[in-house]
Amino acid sequence: ETGVTQTPRHLVMGMTNKKSLKCEQHLGHNAMYWYKQSAKKPLELMFVYSLEERVENNSVPSRFSPECPNSSHLFLHLHTLQPEDSALYLCASSPVRSSDYGYTFGSGTRLTVV
Amino acid sequence: ILNVEQSPQSLHVQEGDSTNFTCSFPSSNFYALHWYRWETAKSPEALFVMTLNGDEKKKGRISATLNTKEGYSYLYIKGSQPEDSATYLCACNTDKLIFGTGTRLQVFP
Repeated sequence: ETGVTQTPRHLVMGMTNKKSLKCEQHLGHNAMYWYKQSAKKPLELMFVYSLEERVENNSVPSRFSPECPNSSHLFLHLHTLQPEDSALYLCASSPVRSSDYGYTFGSGTRLTVV
Repeated sequence: ILNVEQSPQSLHVQEGDSTNFTCSFPSSNFYALHWYRWETAKSPEALFVMTLNGDEKKKGRISATLNTKEGYSYLYIKGSQPEDSATYLCACNTDKLIFGTGTRLQVFP
């Protein structure tokens, strides 16, 4: 366990479903991130939260909706996804939004859209 | 658009061999360079964060160097062991952390 917990580990959803991915950390970190990894592509930054405020939205379609209710929890709400959204979704955290610190990653949610 | 390139894409070595991989990145607006190790079915794990030109860091048999002027970093593994088998990711930060596609290392006993 790294200290960043993601649930569920695997998710299969239809294109009309609504689901949420959850990320939780109790490391006292103030910055949290969502990354997407598609096959044979590098990790792509989706969203950045710093002190519970969204500071980065990397041109992500509106069918992905993040939520950060407090500094320990981060959600990614999913609705009307497409098959090409199937990927590994990784959450990460860092003490502050600064690249002087390595990120702590969760194990990811493997999402399949059918 | 910031491109972080890693080579080789994959590498197969024998136990006991030493190996190294390369990460190249645009040198303008550089802030930090990260290396991560990602074992299958686990989380990426931070190895090193380097910010200064000429930085060298070491963790056991693994070490890394940084050249910000020419835009590259090397990761070295001395005396590779089967447990070193993983994907090694580098990531460069200008104003956000951008990852390369990784080098997949397999060490055979």
